Amino acid sequence: EVQLVDSGGGLVQPGGSLRLSCAASGFTFTSYWMNWVRQRPGKGLEWVANIKQDGSEKNYVDSVKGRFTISRDNAKNSLYLQMNSLRAEDTAVYYCSRSHFDYWGQGTLVIVSS
Amino acid sequence: QSVLTQPPSASGTPGQRVTISCSGSSSNIRRNTVNWYQQLPVTAPKLLINGDNQRPSGVPDRFSGSKSGTSASLAISGLQSEDEADYYCATWDDSLNGWVFGGGTKLTVL
Repeated sequence: EVQLVDSGGGLVQPGGSLRLSCAASGFTFTSYWMNWVRQRPGKGLEWVANIKQDGSEKNYVDSVKGRFTISRDNAKNSLYLQMNSLRAEDTAVYYCSRSHFDYWGQGTLVIVSS
Repeated sequence: QSVLTQPPSASGTPGQRVTISCSGSSSNIRRNTVNWYQQLPVTAPKLLINGDNQRPSGVPDRFSGSKSGTSASLAISGLQSEDEADYYCATWDDSLNGWVFGGGTKLTVL
């Protein structure tokens, strides 16, 4: 059974940093692009970033370029999102998702507030 | 403002057929396949349709997808109360070099 388990969310002050993790199991992790998608409170889905199977290609939505970094550890079947210079507008539930978003984690809540 | 445009709301009575539209452009929907997702309250989204019109295993055949030019549609026939949810379209955008989602459509079963 495919499972994606998101973790690492929490309350952080504006300008702070946070690292999200996604533990994958039940499939061959190295065969798939992986994504982070976020959902601000009461709003729709927004794709944040994705990373190729071997980590050689990464893409980001403009609003996080230069602040967020997506990475993966294929030996640990894990996906990460390093978030720096956080802003209030980054407050959201963050989901990891496989490939064309066929499987999703349960989400982890990030709140950026003083 | 989302790159893909969906109506904010839709509604129908049990047993009816409803359609939800998703309007894009030549850099996204025209060139790439469209997926549809269902999000029930306080849960992660679920893939309903991929590749414009393919249903993953386990998705009822009441759900169907279509695409023409720069627009796509999700149709739900035999509407049921458990279909009340938010629905999103998504595709790759070649100009933005990223995935784009529609703003979402809240479906109400009256």
